[in-house]
Amino acid sequence: SAVISQKPSRDICQRGTSLTIQCQVDSQVTMMFWYRQQPGQSLTLIATANQGSEATYESGFVIDKFPISRPNLTFSTLTVSNMSPEDSSIYLCSVGSRTGTYGYTFGSGTRLTVV
Amino acid sequence: GQQLNQSPQSMFIQEGEDVSMNCTSSSIFNTWLWYKQDPGEGPVLLIALYKAGELTSNGRLTAQFGITRKDSFLNISASIPSDVGIYFCAGHRDYAGNMLTFGGGTRLMVKP
Repeated sequence: SAVISQKPSRDICQRGTSLTIQCQVDSQVTMMFWYRQQPGQSLTLIATANQGSEATYESGFVIDKFPISRPNLTFSTLTVSNMSPEDSSIYLCSVGSRTGTYGYTFGSGTRLTVV
Repeated sequence: GQQLNQSPQSMFIQEGEDVSMNCTSSSIFNTWLWYKQDPGEGPVLLIALYKAGELTSNGRLTAQFGITRKDSFLNISASIPSDVGIYFCAGHRDYAGNMLTFGGGTRLMVKP
């Protein structure tokens, strides 16, 4: 299965600032997914990032708040914009492909604390 | 988004005990997955189930894909201290392009 590297692993940020999280995969994948895990909660999908097209956002998540880039088949970024303490969460990327070969693998996550 | 109904939410275990947890859904999934998440880490896949009725083992872990495709269970036999953590079930529908729907999690803790 694919190996996923996420950076940074954790950060403490001031409210009103933005943080960009990087996700690097060791092989080409069709789809990348960004999830949010709020403290003590399960994982919720933010958006699906496909190379060559705009990301598809889930209900409750908007591009202005969580802009996503997908410049190639091995890399994606998620930006958390104009942060507030409510954005304090673990952000995780996951990869998938239409054949399912790379499905179900997660990065180790980015633990974000907004103060 | 939709979540799967996972129970129990938490449980205490004593070393050597068997543990059971399950997930149910009102709709069908084509694949069921079980993950474990340790503090500060992302979820790690334990078992994947691809066919209704499938029973799969991974060491002391056994999971089954329900016949109706709307449920799954995970059993851990002879638990050990390192089994402590949060276990998540997840369901996948083929047309969703590998997007997963997660259960609320089961937190395993050690009995004092």
